[in-house]
Amino acid sequence: DGGITQSPKYLFRKEGQNVTLSCEQNLNHDAMYWYRQDPGQGLRLIYYSQIVNDFQKGDIAEGYSVSREKKESFPLTVTSAQKNPTAFYLCASMTGGGETQYFGPGTRLLVL
Amino acid sequence: KNEVEQSPQNLTAQEGEFITINCSYSVGISALHWLQQHPGGGIVSLFMLSSGKKKHGRLIATINIQEKHSSLHITASHPRDSAVYICAVRKSGNTPLVFGKGTRLSVIA
Repeated sequence: DGGITQSPKYLFRKEGQNVTLSCEQNLNHDAMYWYRQDPGQGLRLIYYSQIVNDFQKGDIAEGYSVSREKKESFPLTVTSAQKNPTAFYLCASMTGGGETQYFGPGTRLLVL
Repeated sequence: KNEVEQSPQNLTAQEGEFITINCSYSVGISALHWLQQHPGGGIVSLFMLSSGKKKHGRLIATINIQEKHSSLHITASHPRDSAVYICAVRKSGNTPLVFGKGTRLSVIA
C-alpha cells in the first residue's frame, strides 16, 4: 500500500540537542512538505520541496533544517536554535496536479 | 488577519442533524481543499474544489469563487463524523496550501 510514514511517533528532546524526524513516501510524489501544528492553531509550513535536491523555507523555518537527497525521503531536523519545539509535526506529499495532499501520521515532539 | 477563516470554531450536533462548516478566504486562489483530522492526529483529504460543487457519500462541498467562500455540509451526521475539519487554499500553481485553523465537530448520539 502506498503512503507516508513518519517516525518516531513520539520524540523527546533535551536542551541543546538536535533531533531528526523521519518522513518517507512511496507514492512517487515530487512535492513534499513539513508542517507544525500547535493547539488552537492551523498548520504552519516549515519547509517544502518540489523536487529532489531542492527545498524552500516556509513561514516558520527558523530553527529547522531539511534535506531532500532522495525522492522518497524528506527528513526534518529540529535544531537547538528552535526554542519552542514542542508541537505536533506532520509530513505531507502532493500529487503532481495538486489534487490531493497526503499526510503522514505525525510525530509529537516533547522537550524534557 | 488570517488569509483563511473558518466558522464556527467549535460545533456540537445531535446525531442525524445537517451540519454546515464555512470557510472564507481573502486571496485569489486556484483551488480550495477540505481535510479531516481525526482525534489521533491523522489527516485525510476530503475534497479539492476549483468551482461548483462536489459530493462524496454524506459530504457535500461547495465553492463560490466570486464571494471567496466555501461550505462543507454533512448530511445525517453520525458520531463517527466527530473530527476537526480544515479548509486550505492554494493561491496558484505549485504554491503550498494555506490552512485555516479548523472547525472542531462533535456529534452526540
